[in-house]
Amino acid sequence: AQTVTQSQPEMSVQEAETVTLSCTYDTSESDYYLFWYKQPPSRQMILVIRQEAYKQQNATENRFSVNFQKAAKSFSLKISDSQLGDAAMYFCAYRASYNTDKLIFGTGTRLQVFP
Amino acid sequence: DAMVIQNPRYQVTQFGKPVTLSCSQTLNHNVMYWYQQKSSQAPKLLFHYYDKDFNNEADTPDNFQSRRPNTSFCFLDIRSPGLGDAAMYLCATSRVGGANTEAFFGQGTRLTVV
Repeated sequence: AQTVTQSQPEMSVQEAETVTLSCTYDTSESDYYLFWYKQPPSRQMILVIRQEAYKQQNATENRFSVNFQKAAKSFSLKISDSQLGDAAMYFCAYRASYNTDKLIFGTGTRLQVFP
Repeated sequence: DAMVIQNPRYQVTQFGKPVTLSCSQTLNHNVMYWYQQKSSQAPKLLFHYYDKDFNNEADTPDNFQSRRPNTSFCFLDIRSPGLGDAAMYLCATSRVGGANTEAFFGQGTRLTVV
């Protein structure tokens, strides 16, 4: 069975600095999708960034980028130039391409941003 | 412009009294999910529909049921809520088979059991 692990329950960063959130996963599949979702205090989950496993290039969305290491089954999220609005729970998620209707979440990392 | 809408946002129910939570979507997605999320925990998948096909997670209690009368609507029925069922319930949708693979979430329904 696939699992997603986030080993950092809480992280903090100062405004304008960079922070990296860790995620590892376990799967026997070769083709799958990985996601980072953000859940602010208002609770609506929104997509931050997406990575297809077959792509070697790391995904980037403005200040958000990932470090995808397929062999190590690692998928970290880097937030550059952190802003107060980045404070939220961040969830790493996995979906296999063979069973594309099931999304599995990690336990989350609470990110605090200090001015 | 809300695409996944959950009603109500807050629901208070009595112990043992059946309650229904609703979710609607304007995205025409073929998959709809129900997740249970307790405080500071990861969302836990209860079940999902792939079109009309219902997929129940093995550890979802029998107390939880779901209906999907059409593409746009999906309901979560809790037949006899217990105190342990108090949680945020998240509805999500996704389109399987297209280029986009992410799930879109509603704002959730916070259920309180008294």
